[in-house]
Amino acid sequence: KQEVTQIPAALSVPEGENLVLNCSFTDSAIYNLQWFRQDPGKGLTSLLLIQSSQREQTSGRLNASLDKSSGRSTLYIAASQPGDSATYLCAVHAGGTSYGKLTFGQGTILTVHP
Amino acid sequence: DTAVSQTPKYLVTQMGNDKSIKCEQNLGHDTMYWYKQDSKKFLKIMFSYNNKELIINETVPNRFSPKSPDKAHLNLHINSLELGDSAVYFCASAHTRSYEQYFGPGTRLTVT
Repeated sequence: KQEVTQIPAALSVPEGENLVLNCSFTDSAIYNLQWFRQDPGKGLTSLLLIQSSQREQTSGRLNASLDKSSGRSTLYIAASQPGDSATYLCAVHAGGTSYGKLTFGQGTILTVHP
Repeated sequence: DTAVSQTPKYLVTQMGNDKSIKCEQNLGHDTMYWYKQDSKKFLKIMFSYNNKELIINETVPNRFSPKSPDKAHLNLHINSLELGDSAVYFCASAHTRSYEQYFGPGTRLTVT
């Protein structure tokens, strides 16, 4: 059974800092991995999708890496801004006949203060 | 031009009632999902449909019945609502090529 863990559970940083969010998963047989952000009372916004064959993906100030063999992914946020404050969720897609079933971590609550 | 939409956004009802949540996507995706986010904000899959066929059915009480009239719609009907059903329910969709999932805004269900 796949289990996804995110560390830290919460993070508070001053504006401008670079930061790293960590995600680990127990079963390396994944199809791909997706990072989301969730603002309070809102839905999930997809940030990055990394295919199992890829090592990293970049979008603007965000960079996500994937080490499938060790069951780890990191989300790097450069030059953080108060608008980055949200909950960041890591989710792994099961392979095979699971049709993209997502298993989520508990999330990291990020607060960026001015 | 919302990609994945859900109605209603809020639903407050009493125990024992039956209610439905509707979901529609205009992304041309062939797979749709229902997730439940509990009070601790943990997200867990409930159902998945691919081309109107049920593919994933996690350990969900029989009181929950999904229905997919076509590829663009996946509705969730809940019978005999219980206090423990209070949660936020999210609909999502994906194309089987990448399985990158796009989520709706959620429906906050409160059972009193």
